[in-house]
Amino acid sequence: AQSVTQPDIHITVSEGASLELRCNYSYGATPYLFWYVQSPGQGLQLLLKYFSGDTLVQGIKGFEAEFKRSQSSFNLRKPSVHWSDAAEYFCAVVPSGGYQKVTFGTGTKLQVIP
Amino acid sequence: DAGVTQSPTHLIKTRGQQVTLRCSPKSGHDTVSWYQQALGQGPQFIFQYYEEEERQRGNFPDRFSGHQFPNYSSELNVNALLLGDSALYLCASSTTSGVNTGELFFGEGSRLTVL
Repeated sequence: AQSVTQPDIHITVSEGASLELRCNYSYGATPYLFWYVQSPGQGLQLLLKYFSGDTLVQGIKGFEAEFKRSQSSFNLRKPSVHWSDAAEYFCAVVPSGGYQKVTFGTGTKLQVIP
Repeated sequence: DAGVTQSPTHLIKTRGQQVTLRCSPKSGHDTVSWYQQALGQGPQFIFQYYEEEERQRGNFPDRFSGHQFPNYSSELNVNALLLGDSALYLCASSTTSGVNTGELFFGEGSRLTVL
């Protein structure tokens, strides 16, 4: 069955530390991949996306993600976390081609401590 | 340029009642998708509207219905509310090409509480 998994429900990092959020997917072919961020009480905002080509993609707010086909992963990274990055992060996938629904992972809640 | 707007932002209903949620897409967008986000969960796809027709539907019962108007705005209706329908309902808009690529623009959601 097609699925997207975020194994970490909650992560705590110190401000200024690096961050990596994990995402794994299970699809027949490489889907389009996304990371969205949701601040408390807000809707979701697109951070970055991968369709094809360069496997390291840059997004907004200093985030980047790397697609690894061999591992079916699309992990989100940031070299230095700011307190304002505290939010919930969702990995999302959509099968390439056609009008397909976007499937979201269960999310990883990021806490940033001073 | 207004983004995606949803109304109401919060509402409380009792079991068995009916609710209508509204969404205006981002300017230039013609496709509207609705998602249900239960507490602590990721958004779950309800359905998608394009050219005033339901184009796709997720695993939700017929109690969930929708509509898209000629100006691309949309409504989500839920009948015979259950406690389990309590959630944040998110509207997402996109262009036709954006639908193909999954690029969605979300509103801030309507928080429904069913008592």
